[in-house]
Amino acid sequence: KAGVTQTPRYLIKTRGQQVTLSCSPISGHRSVSWYQQTPGQGLQFLFEYFSETQRNKGNFPGRFSGRQFSNSRSEMNVSTLELGDSALYLCASSSLGQIYEQYFGPGTRLTVT
Amino acid sequence: EDQVTQSPEALRLQEGESSSLNCSYTVSGLRGLFWYRQDPGKGPEFLFTLYSAGEEKEKERLKATLTKKESFLHITAPKPEDSATYLCAVHNRDDKIIFGKGTRLHILP
Repeated sequence: KAGVTQTPRYLIKTRGQQVTLSCSPISGHRSVSWYQQTPGQGLQFLFEYFSETQRNKGNFPGRFSGRQFSNSRSEMNVSTLELGDSALYLCASSSLGQIYEQYFGPGTRLTVT
Repeated sequence: EDQVTQSPEALRLQEGESSSLNCSYTVSGLRGLFWYRQDPGKGPEFLFTLYSAGEEKEKERLKATLTKKESFLHITAPKPEDSATYLCAVHNRDDKIIFGKGTRLHILP
């Protein structure tokens, strides 16, 4: 079974731009969660989608948004990028709408200059 | 506020030298506690889920235990390939996942 895939793997953007990251979950998994990982803060929960609906949201500003499509693929968008948005963005999927036993993708490394 | 604290931040062991990693948590309505392993440049790899105090789970050289305030990840006779960052996370009653900052484990051959 193919794992979680994320594209692109690396991205360099400048302040003020916007970016869209993509995540394809494991086949059959309907829940997709997004996380931001930085050396200082560790892994922080952004949001979770299940059946195209945002089911939960972390404490991030509205510049961070996401969506999920009918095939469970998900995208995350960050608008008006700031230097502090530089991080590894990880996507995780799980089955049956449970966020137990999440399986992570390799991440997208975003650098904002 | 719910929080997860992992200790130590880093640990260096000789091959075969057993030890334990600690994960202390304060959480409203624990629904589950997770352990992950993360290698450099990769996403976390799921290891265990523990649901209630007293529960234990094992996988190869790893054994995870859970009490009402903390969890331990015991590593028995580790090998260099066990070197990684080990992450602990809790699932609270608001359906949010809170991660600790991890323990960087280095096993010397």
